[in-house]
Amino acid sequence: AQSVTQPDIHITVSEGASLELRCNYSYGATPYLFWYVQSPGQGLQLLLKYFSGDTLVQGIKGFEAEFKRSQSSFNLRKPSVHWSDAAEYFCAVRPKEGGATNKLIFGTGTLLAVQP
Amino acid sequence: KAGVTQTPRYLIKTRGQQVTLSCSPISGHRSVSWYQQTPGQGLQFLFEYFSETQRNKGNFPGRFSGRQFSNSRSEMNVSTLELGDSALYLCASSNPQGGETQYFGPGTRLLVL
Repeated sequence: AQSVTQPDIHITVSEGASLELRCNYSYGATPYLFWYVQSPGQGLQLLLKYFSGDTLVQGIKGFEAEFKRSQSSFNLRKPSVHWSDAAEYFCAVRPKEGGATNKLIFGTGTLLAVQP
Repeated sequence: KAGVTQTPRYLIKTRGQQVTLSCSPISGHRSVSWYQQTPGQGLQFLFEYFSETQRNKGNFPGRFSGRQFSNSRSEMNVSTLELGDSALYLCASSNPQGGETQYFGPGTRLLVL
């Protein structure tokens, strides 16, 4: 079945430590891939996206993500976390099958807490 | 350029009532999508409009409907509200020139009592 999996529901890291949030997808053809961040009570902000080309993509706020076709993964990373990064992070895919549509399928999200 | 705007930001209704939420996309964007976010079900796609036509629809009952106007503004309507309709409703807009990347508004928080 088509799905997006974020295996970590909640992660706590210390400020200044590195971060990796996992995302795996299950689709026939590699979909378009996105990471969004949501602060409490807010909408979703796009961090980065992968459509094709270089498998390491850079985003805003110092985030990057690496697409690995062999593992059907699109993990989000940041070398040094800041307290302001505490938020919920969502991986999303837009399937390439099914005709013209912008429909996004979201993972369940990973809630990031940052310790001082 | 102004972002996606949604009105109202907060809304309290009672069961059985109906509600209309509004979304104004980023200028030049012709596609508008709606999502429902709840703690139990997460983020779920409701429907998508492009050039005033519904292009895709999620698995929601017919009580949920939407439309798009010629200026790309969109509204969604929920009739006969149920307690389970309490959620954050998010609107997103995109345009083909931007690779159809969706940009989200701040959402409308609906509480059904």
